[in-house]
Amino acid sequence: DIQMTQSPSTLSASVGDRVTITCRASQSISSWLAWYQQKPGKAPKLLIYKASSLESGVPSSFSGSGSGTEFTLTISSLQPDDFATYYCQQYNSFPWTFGQGTKVEI
Amino acid sequence: QVQLVQSGAEVKKPGASVKVSCKASGYTFTGDYIHWVRQAPGQGLEWMGWINPHSGSTNYAQKFQGRVTMTRDTSISTAYVELFSLRSDDTAVYYCARRGMHLVVDSWGQGTLVTVSS
Repeated sequence: DIQMTQSPSTLSASVGDRVTITCRASQSISSWLAWYQQKPGKAPKLLIYKASSLESGVPSSFSGSGSGTEFTLTISSLQPDDFATYYCQQYNSFPWTFGQGTKVEI
Repeated sequence: QVQLVQSGAEVKKPGASVKVSCKASGYTFTGDYIHWVRQAPGQGLEWMGWINPHSGSTNYAQKFQGRVTMTRDTSISTAYVELFSLRSDDTAVYYCARRGMHLVVDSWGQGTLVTVSS
């Protein structure tokens, strides 16, 4: 199975900050990586697919980059609604696997 | 718009089984795979497997092989996941999700809490 490792696990930030979350895969997954946002008690929401493509309706303050084994999710200017937990997920091969999550908090 | 509506919370005893439903609307049910993902309390996301609603074919994570069955009823656009021989560590929120045009799950059900407790 492909292991996905996110860092940091928790991130303390303020409104307006630029935030970067890193995701590493244990082997190459090309660009088959997605990012999700999850708020307490809610289902995950797709933000980014294929490493850098923005899902429809997602603010342009979110961006993704990377390929192979190293990926990043960047929020250019953190808004109050962005405080949540973020997960990366590889869909290069089954079983699909997720990172352990990064909680973005104040 | 795409909607996935799941059945309500369940409480089960260890050793029992549970069946969770996921009713789809707003798109052609047989056109997109349905995946199941679970999340234990305070933990991360765990992929369980998928079902192709058109053919009924399935692919399960090895961890759940022999203990899970995914089925569908195309007449009512509903997918199901059934988990057998429940243990306390099966306590989790179970989500269904649709794999959309970008080959990634883009729509999720609201989740179904399954609690396993004696």
